[in-house]
Amino acid sequence: ELKVEQNPLFLSMQEGKNYTIYCNYSTTSDRLYWYRQDPGKSLESLFVLLSNGAVKQEGRLMASLDTKARLSTLHITAAVHDLSATYFCAVDIAYQTMNRDDKIIFGKGTRLHILP
Amino acid sequence: DAGVIQSPRHEVTEMGQEVTLRCKPISGHNSLFWYRQTMMRGLELLIYFNNNVPIDDSGMPEDRFSAKMPNASFSTLKIQPSEPRDSAVYFCASRPWGLVGEQYFGPGTRLTVT
Repeated sequence: ELKVEQNPLFLSMQEGKNYTIYCNYSTTSDRLYWYRQDPGKSLESLFVLLSNGAVKQEGRLMASLDTKARLSTLHITAAVHDLSATYFCAVDIAYQTMNRDDKIIFGKGTRLHILP
Repeated sequence: DAGVIQSPRHEVTEMGQEVTLRCKPISGHNSLFWYRQTMMRGLELLIYFNNNVPIDDSGMPEDRFSAKMPNASFSTLKIQPSEPRDSAVYFCASRPWGLVGEQYFGPGTRLTVT
């Protein structure tokens, strides 16, 4: 059974600090997505990582993918209150399945609270 | 593009009533997904369609839940009869089948069953 595990699930941190959210998965994949969800809102795509070693950056957020370790990280630099949200990673195995099933498996999400 | 469209945005109903949620995927996207999100259970995949055909409905919690996709631009999720434990936010998402890329989520329908 494919598992996607995020940690931590809850994170409270001070503004200005750095931190990393980890996403481990249990099957071969070189496609991974990060989403952001604000309270009461829908999920919004943040990053699309499509190969081993892929790195994407947007503002204070940087995502990377290590397919050999089956690990993706979302790094937060000098956190600001506006980054408070829940962050999901999602692993794409659609292109691997023999019958072309469309499979994207989500982690449980990391709820990030940044204290002013 | 308008993105994924869901209706209604909010629904309050009494236990035992039938509820129908609607979704219009992004034009050209031929994979459609229904999710349910609660605090207790997080984000759950209920069912998904490829080219209007249901592929995997193993996430549908009970026979009270049913989903259809009569054409490429419309899908429904029906709960009959509804129960208080069905209260949740229901999301619809779409993406092009077989191509690289993430799912695009609709705004969600917040369902409250009293």
